[in-house]
Amino acid sequence: DQQVKQNSPSLSVQEGRISILNCDYTNSMFDYFLWYKKYPAEGPTFLISISSIKDKNEDGRFTVFLNKSAKHLSLHIVPSQPGDSAVYFCAASADGNKLVFGAGTILRVKS
Amino acid sequence: DGGITQSPKYLFRKEGQNVTLSCEQNLNHDAMYWYRQDPGQGLRLIYYSQIVNDFQKGDIAEGYSVSREKKESFPLTVTSAQKNPTAFYLCASSESGTYNYGYTFGSGTRLTVV
Repeated sequence: DQQVKQNSPSLSVQEGRISILNCDYTNSMFDYFLWYKKYPAEGPTFLISISSIKDKNEDGRFTVFLNKSAKHLSLHIVPSQPGDSAVYFCAASADGNKLVFGAGTILRVKS
Repeated sequence: DGGITQSPKYLFRKEGQNVTLSCEQNLNHDAMYWYRQDPGQGLRLIYYSQIVNDFQKGDIAEGYSVSREKKESFPLTVTSAQKNPTAFYLCASSESGTYNYGYTFGSGTRLTVV
């Protein structure tokens, strides 16, 4: 049972435009959500997070939106840059520790 | 520099052999984790440990074993019982019991069965 789902395996965006990566979850006990970025043959690195008491968190070009009623979160990257090309993982936690990861979305930013 | 070191980066194993993947952290984190990444399946939890001398099975623990004798170290042994061991293995650590930046990951070990 996949508790965290990223239904788009890949996304291609033109440089300078907005990238929107989506994530759905089924466990209503999740109260903390994170996005990680991963380059090939490297470990994921933390990008941005959001607590369930908020509906938006912004950090530079990256904004995460949380819609608890829909059990949906999204990551917006504006403007997209070629260096943003990577695999993006959505993750969620219900207990402050053990994260559940989605399958990832490959983002390709074309210059 | 604080971080997590995984070694080796690439590992080849013959069928029927056990191999051990190393994971060391100097972040003073209490919790450590092992994940496996396969194409299209994201990161799946193998084992995790929240304190020294204690660990729990994750979602896909069969064919794997771990130990946590020191806070800094959490080695993973891939046994001959693991039917499909070829994968990219990631070790991570975190501060236990607090919301923070989630996990710090190592750079991974790619294991190939030949």
